[in-house]
Amino acid sequence: GAGVSQSPRYKVAKRGQDVALRCDPISGHVSLFWYQQALGQGPEFLTYFQNEAQLDKSGLPSDRFFAERPEGSVSTLKIQRTQQEDSAVYLCASSLEGGVNSPLHFGNGTRLTVT
Amino acid sequence: AQSVAQPEDQVNVAEGNPLTVKCTYSVSGNPYLFWYVQYPNRGLQFLLKYITGDNLVKGSYGFEAEFNKSQTSFHLKKPSALVSDSALYFCAVRTNTGGFKTIFGAGTRLFVKA
Repeated sequence: GAGVSQSPRYKVAKRGQDVALRCDPISGHVSLFWYQQALGQGPEFLTYFQNEAQLDKSGLPSDRFFAERPEGSVSTLKIQRTQQEDSAVYLCASSLEGGVNSPLHFGNGTRLTVT
Repeated sequence: AQSVAQPEDQVNVAEGNPLTVKCTYSVSGNPYLFWYVQYPNRGLQFLLKYITGDNLVKGSYGFEAEFNKSQTSFHLKKPSALVSDSALYFCAVRTNTGGFKTIFGAGTRLFVKA
């Protein structure tokens, strides 16, 4: 597609529910990143994929967070047993290459509200 | 550890005046520096980057940024601000020793008044 697509745009979950957030990167982009953006803050790194390989998951805040990209294109971020502190905007970004000088192309994000 | 500081939460300028949004960084290794802009309810959009070479880099929408190694700064500038430049601006850094992650500053909100 023309850009990075994320769905749903908004998600309201009750505390304890599981959620799945989808990211469709730009076609052909090798690298895919997930970020968490709290209100009034900059994006915080969660995890990174190069094709289907998850090369860095050091930013995932707990074992309730899980990400996958099984075929090297679409990615899903899953949060189990959601807590109120999980409320944030979850941003997905992709880049053509894995090099450090490749800019990130972001989706519009999924705003998760846990009640 | 890598970090980025944006010392101003908000910058106010009048339309037509020059603007500067400040950024300093702390890394081990060579820095790769980026500026991104975020409009309401949207993801971040890439503005410009410094990789190597000329310290003054030019980007989208008339923005430019100056890399200063001795001051570890990468300030964003524009000679003449537009009302439509009002948005949230993020400075970011990556290094070739820091893995694949891009580290972002907390952001600076720019208000341009007509």
